[in-house]
Amino acid sequence: DAGVIQSPRHEVTEMGQEVTLRCKPISGHNSLFWYRQTMMRGLELLIYFNNNVPIDDSGMPEDRFSAKMPNASFSTLKIQPSEPRDSAVYFCASSLAGGDYGYTFGSGTRLTVV
Amino acid sequence: KNEVEQSPQNLTAQEGEFITINCSYSVGISALHWLQQHPGGGIVSLFMLSSGKKKHGRLIATINIQEKHSSLHITASHPRDSAVYICAVSMNNDMRFGAGTRLTVKP
Repeated sequence: DAGVIQSPRHEVTEMGQEVTLRCKPISGHNSLFWYRQTMMRGLELLIYFNNNVPIDDSGMPEDRFSAKMPNASFSTLKIQPSEPRDSAVYFCASSLAGGDYGYTFGSGTRLTVV
Repeated sequence: KNEVEQSPQNLTAQEGEFITINCSYSVGISALHWLQQHPGGGIVSLFMLSSGKKKHGRLIATINIQEKHSSLHITASHPRDSAVYICAVSMNNDMRFGAGTRLTVKP
């Protein structure tokens, strides 16, 4: 398995533009997580899916952020419109819920909004 | 006060030294995670534990649920262990992260 795959690795966009981050979890994992990491706030959980269903999106900063998981092998995190304060590294992770398993993280997407 | 506190914030060791990183938390948890983030930014999950002790190679993680405390130990440390080590706790469907401990192992 290639692990959790995120794309793009880097994204630079202008303020006000729509940004879409993508994640392919490990095959067979039924939980998927989106995290954001900044210098000021460290790692934060944004949203969590279990069996493709969003369970808790209370970590999503505001309505500009939305996440979907249309099937077990793909998820997106969208920011519309983007703002400079959204600049961060966004990580996706997946796991097999219900067991004594750790999480597998993707390599992250470094987003810069100018 | 943060719900997850790590100590120390920074740690410098000589190759071969035994290293301990501590994590204390103030909430009820379902599991505790130790993560490793390398200078390149990638995050690796080292351990997920809810009781007792786990060992992978030179890494050992322990947790005391009553005391709400966990430790990560590295035996015979090596420069390639240099990274940021992050403690995280999961509770219900949420996760809280410590600020991380930056470890530098010098040859």
